Amino acid sequence: EPEVTQTPSHQVTQMGQEVILRCVPISNHLYFYWYRQILGQKVEFLVSFYNNEISEKSEIFDDQFSVERPDGSNFTLKIRSTKLEDSAMYFCASRGTGGMNTEAFFGQGTRLTVV
Amino acid sequence: LAKTTQPISMDSYEGQEVNITCSHNNIATNDYITWYQQFPSQGPRFIIQGYKTKVTNEVASLFIPADRKSSTLSLPRVSLSDTAVYYCLLTNAGKSTFGDGTTLTVKP
Repeated sequence: EPEVTQTPSHQVTQMGQEVILRCVPISNHLYFYWYRQILGQKVEFLVSFYNNEISEKSEIFDDQFSVERPDGSNFTLKIRSTKLEDSAMYFCASRGTGGMNTEAFFGQGTRLTVV
Repeated sequence: LAKTTQPISMDSYEGQEVNITCSHNNIATNDYITWYQQFPSQGPRFIIQGYKTKVTNEVASLFIPADRKSSTLSLPRVSLSDTAVYYCLLTNAGKSTFGDGTTLTVKP
């Protein structure tokens, strides 16, 4: 069964450092998403990406965040200068071509710890 | 996206059928109802999606009344491994907003 793959599974970084979280969506999918989940809290939408541009973003997704699809297979989330409150699980998701409301498939997440 | 409301937690026993109801009074015409399951430290996993009436797949059924203001996820004969958080989402144009979810605990 095809799956969304995220690397690394766990990343520890110092406050103020830049981090890049990587995702390989399912190969024929066209819609890509990043979500985050702070420990013990609900899953929060960050950004959606389609046709090489951001289609929607939440208020969490400020200027410190950026996304990129550099090579047609990877989908990355960059946090420019990490803060302690950025510590969370970050989930990548992708969705196929069956229409705007087909299900999204989530990766296993990257646990980001900012110290 | 309209807000969804679910019970915070539910307990069940192995072998029982579990029904989790979600309220979405302000559902929009283009919203689909989607349910996800999440285990600790894992990504949400798709269970089932529907627009109206009843949908059934190999793991669950989804019942949606005609007014679509609520939906019920039915899990037949749960096992210990079904202990997880279950999220009811309204999905429109791909974006999903997660609520607080229902923590289902299945006991032996």
